[in-house]
Amino acid sequence: DGGITQSPKYLFRKEGQNVTLSCEQNLNHDAMYWYRQDPGQGLRLIYYSQIVNDFQKGDIAEGYSVSREKKESFPLTVTSAQKNPTAFYLCASSRDGEYEQYFGPGTRLTVT
Amino acid sequence: EDQVTQSPEALRLQEGESSSLNCSYTVSGLRGLFWYRQDPGKGPEFLFTLYSAGEEKEKERLKATLTKKESFLHITAPKPEDSATYLCAVQASGTYKYIFGTGTRLKVLA
Repeated sequence: DGGITQSPKYLFRKEGQNVTLSCEQNLNHDAMYWYRQDPGQGLRLIYYSQIVNDFQKGDIAEGYSVSREKKESFPLTVTSAQKNPTAFYLCASSRDGEYEQYFGPGTRLTVT
Repeated sequence: EDQVTQSPEALRLQEGESSSLNCSYTVSGLRGLFWYRQDPGKGPEFLFTLYSAGEEKEKERLKATLTKKESFLHITAPKPEDSATYLCAVQASGTYKYIFGTGTRLKVLA
């Protein structure tokens, strides 16, 4: 089955720790995205990548970093510089930037 | 500034009671408008893409329509399993970014 996987489903960290969220897709999509979802707000774009070894900042990139070493993988690191990291994180992919995006199941990160 | 507004924020329907959800948008050249369904604690599920005014798409009890300023998601004879949050997003020409609305939370009562 083709799809997008995110792991883990739930993640708990202490303040001051960096944490990496995994996103893998086997849809052979070129474009991948990371969003953050908070209650009462629309999805907000953190980073996106149109091609391997290239990525661009979205609207709320501060305190986050990404890499795109393989077409299938787009991990997101939430650094200690992110002031309010507790949120639901969603990864998405699309055939390229002009087609609909498909989402993974999400990772809920709680930082205390 | 590109913007998406969804209304109502929440909607409660009786099973079989048809209704419509609204997505109003302002964008500098529309490439596409997208509808998603999201269940609690899960990722959004893609429903429809609409590209130009007058276009309509249907899937089971759902029908999406598009004008130059808004889109409607019509739900005909809904069932309890249609309960979810419905998200609308737009993509402007020349950009890869989506602008999402905050969604409409739909509850269908048996």
